[in-house]
Amino acid sequence: DTEVTQTPKHLVMGMTNKKSLKCEQHMGHRAMYWYKQKAKKPPELMFVYSYEKLSINESVPSRFSPECPNSSLLNLHLHALQPEDSALYLCASSPILTTDDTEAFFGQGTRLTVV
Amino acid sequence: QQQVKQSPQSLIVQKGGISIINCAYENTAFDYFPWYQQFPGKGPALLIAIRPDVSEKKEGRFTISFNKSAKQFSLHIMDSQPGDSATYFCAARKRGSTLGRLYFGRGTQLTVWP
Repeated sequence: DTEVTQTPKHLVMGMTNKKSLKCEQHMGHRAMYWYKQKAKKPPELMFVYSYEKLSINESVPSRFSPECPNSSLLNLHLHALQPEDSALYLCASSPILTTDDTEAFFGQGTRLTVV
Repeated sequence: QQQVKQSPQSLIVQKGGISIINCAYENTAFDYFPWYQQFPGKGPALLIAIRPDVSEKKEGRFTISFNKSAKQFSLHIMDSQPGDSATYFCAARKRGSTLGRLYFGRGTQLTVWP
């Protein structure tokens, strides 16, 4: 199984709503990532978890709150978002140690629209 | 600061032609260079990757050429097909990285006309 599964695929939320994005992988990867991607732009790194601990936070606003409840799951909690936060949110995973055979696997993304 | 520079931004190629996308980097700590293909509404998928000790890597119709001294690498798509129409991102990863963090180029939108 080389899949990273993200739910939901699409999400529309108001600026006062609280919602969560979910990501799951069963490849035994101990590094998991959240990226944000705007149209016609490359993915931008938001957070990195290694061994279920937050390792990198790319100065992301606190209205985005990541959580890694176990080695297979990664959540992104959303609260009081702004319309400019509308984007494709991508989850990825990879082995911790990078070797020749290492690659990052991306999920299909959640298309988020903030109204 | 964009650590990986990619060109062109968009590319239109006729079916059967060769598509060429170029990337350049400055940081000599990079030691792994993947290319990702992304279709609209989908996540990026690894297409092919290379390490700097190899000058060329070929997988089917896709070839990466790597010039270590010039710090440049390129993707060649031979016999381009309409199904290759997608956005292509080059990326780089640092030597000894224990977290696999990728630095992406800005992307190239490839359109292959039938």
